[in-house]
Amino acid sequence: QSALTQPASVSGSPGQSITISCTGTSSDVGSYNYVSWFQHHPGKAPKLMIYDVSNRPSGVSSRFSGSKSGNTASLTISGLQAEDETDYYCSSFTPSSTWVFGGGTKVTVL
Amino acid sequence: QVQLVESGGGVVQPGTSLRLSCAASGFSLSSYGMHWVRQAPGKGLEWVAVISYDGSNRYYADSVKGRFTISRDNSKNTLYLQLNSLRTEDTAVYYCAKDNQGYSTNWGTYWGQGTLVTVSS
Repeated sequence: QSALTQPASVSGSPGQSITISCTGTSSDVGSYNYVSWFQHHPGKAPKLMIYDVSNRPSGVSSRFSGSKSGNTASLTISGLQAEDETDYYCSSFTPSSTWVFGGGTKVTVL
Repeated sequence: QVQLVESGGGVVQPGTSLRLSCAASGFSLSSYGMHWVRQAPGKGLEWVAVISYDGSNRYYADSVKGRFTISRDNSKNTLYLQLNSLRTEDTAVYYCAKDNQGYSTNWGTYWGQGTLVTVSS
């Protein structure tokens, strides 16, 4: 199972909106509405931000939203804040009942 | 509160074995599926394995299939990952993560802090 494709980096100014893409195939992202997004500060435990494409766990800011079109899922961060600067990973369910992560995207707040 | 604490990491030689543990507290492990995820130095997250609440479903990443075994002892509220035939590329921080149901697509709300496995000769 090949890793999902994410841009290596995305940047934006405070208050702006940014979108991180996550491209898979018709077998994984395109076949299931089971895409999750994780925020990961190096050295800390990852944090679930979105599950099942667009569902936000309790306690996660409404500034984070998820969507999907075809084989590509997206995470949008609106009202970008300094605390959002870190790494983000998408993950998709696969036909083998396994999960695959993307390579990760580093978000920089300018 | 929910807490997950990994242990068992260390420095080992290629070809050897290691068993990682993930001690759960604040909830009954027997009701929830569990995952292992790893991160090699300077690399991204890599999903490793999942086990359903009762152990009846277990799935592995291709990179570890046949070498790693995920298991659980619900009476001890502990999750395990047996790592056999270790390779240098298995060097990583290993995290356990909790499913929000017995076996679902909604997982990862709770994670441990990780345990470092270093495979080196």
